[in-house]
Amino acid sequence: QSVLTQPPSASGTPGQRVTISCSGSSSNIGANTVNWYQHLPGTAPKLLIYSNDQRPSGVPDRFSGSKSGTSASLAISGLQSEDEADYYCAAWDDSLNGVVFGGGTKLTVL
Amino acid sequence: EVQLVESGGGLVQPGGSLRLSCAASGFTFSSSWMHWVRQAPGKGLVWVSRISTDGRSTYYADSVKGRFTISRDNAKNTLYLQMNSLRAEDTAVYYCARAGLGANRNAADSWGQGTLVTVSS
Repeated sequence: QSVLTQPPSASGTPGQRVTISCSGSSSNIGANTVNWYQHLPGTAPKLLIYSNDQRPSGVPDRFSGSKSGTSASLAISGLQSEDEADYYCAAWDDSLNGVVFGGGTKLTVL
Repeated sequence: EVQLVESGGGLVQPGGSLRLSCAASGFTFSSSWMHWVRQAPGKGLVWVSRISTDGRSTYYADSVKGRFTISRDNAKNTLYLQMNSLRAEDTAVYYCARAGLGANRNAADSWGQGTLVTVSS
């Protein structure tokens, strides 16, 4: 059972906009910034969003992040087949004194 | 270009030990906090440990506290994870990752390809 809660799956058609949610608590998302990762099996994970809504250089602006209270979300607009991957949210947890991840959301592009 | 290359994984019996290494290049290793993150077969990413630039501050997930030790050798640009008293549930691909700068050190902005650790008799 992950500390951060994500839906196990999401899907969309090419060109569509999809949103992935991440729910936490006052000790993690409520108190600290949220990061999002993209992971294709067999490859190295990739930082997609940091500090709630910042994109590292090279990440397309189709990807955006937001946070409100103890929840965060990742939005992907103009969905492309190459976006099919697993997506994880993560944040520091002040109670656990460590980083906590969500269980991951498997995105399927139909 | 940032490069992180893990090594040291393999098959080990329950109760055994293993030391993972992560060779870093393409950035100033001594100025970067570092993380270890793992992924068990068919499961999600799980954070394992984090270390400060000088190695004096270390943090662990409860599941490995007291059994795993993170360390670094800045002269060799290498990160380590000493794993003792290994259990079947420690079976996973272990990734080393560079932490983000300053207030973003909880993020992992560059990752290695991972090394597989299998704990089985």
